[in-house]
Amino acid sequence: AQSVTQLDSQVPVFEEAPVELRCNYSSSVSVYLFWYVQYPNQGLQLLLKYLSGSTLVKGINGFEAEFNKSQTSFHLRKPSVHISDTAEYFCAVSDKNSGGSNYKLTFGKGTLLTVNP
Amino acid sequence: GAGVSQTPSNKVTEKGKYVELRCDPISGHTALYWYRQSLGQGPEFLIYFQGTGAADDSGLPNDRFFAVRPEGSVSTLKIQRTERGDSAVYLCASNHGLAGDTQYFGPGTRLTVL
Repeated sequence: AQSVTQLDSQVPVFEEAPVELRCNYSSSVSVYLFWYVQYPNQGLQLLLKYLSGSTLVKGINGFEAEFNKSQTSFHLRKPSVHISDTAEYFCAVSDKNSGGSNYKLTFGKGTLLTVNP
Repeated sequence: GAGVSQTPSNKVTEKGKYVELRCDPISGHTALYWYRQSLGQGPEFLIYFQGTGAADDSGLPNDRFFAVRPEGSVSTLKIQRTERGDSAVYLCASNHGLAGDTQYFGPGTRLTVL
């Protein structure tokens, strides 16, 4: 079984400030890691994912995340946020070694990022 | 190209009624997933199809929930004898079913059971 913990349900920041959204996971097997974003009244959109290789992953809209295996974390960062980054952000994992090709996602509860002027 | 589409976007029904929610995946995607997102929660897995068969339905909460994908494309999630606790946003996603493949999500159907 897997679980994902997003430690902050809400993160308010000012425009142009840096932000970090925290994600920790628990799993008995190796996992793939994902960050999705959900803008108001829109569907989930992939920001970035970690499959293997370099632990620093760059995604769309200037976001990046770092996989830390020893701390079982995959925190999302952006050096300077914009008003348009206001959205809900979800961290998710899937089993790397799924026996039946079912790579279902296990999501955290989400972090609402609010960027204020 | 066209993304994943879901209909209806909103569905309001009364307790005890039957509802059907439809998902049109991206053309050529063999894998299709249904998730349910309750208020203040992340999406939770319901069922996974590879082609026409339900390869994993372990997330369906009870036997009132059923899903089909008869031709390996469009899928329908069916809920019998709806309860107020079924109110949620139902999300559909599709991909090629490969390891690490991105799941592409539809906009969801917001179900409200009165």
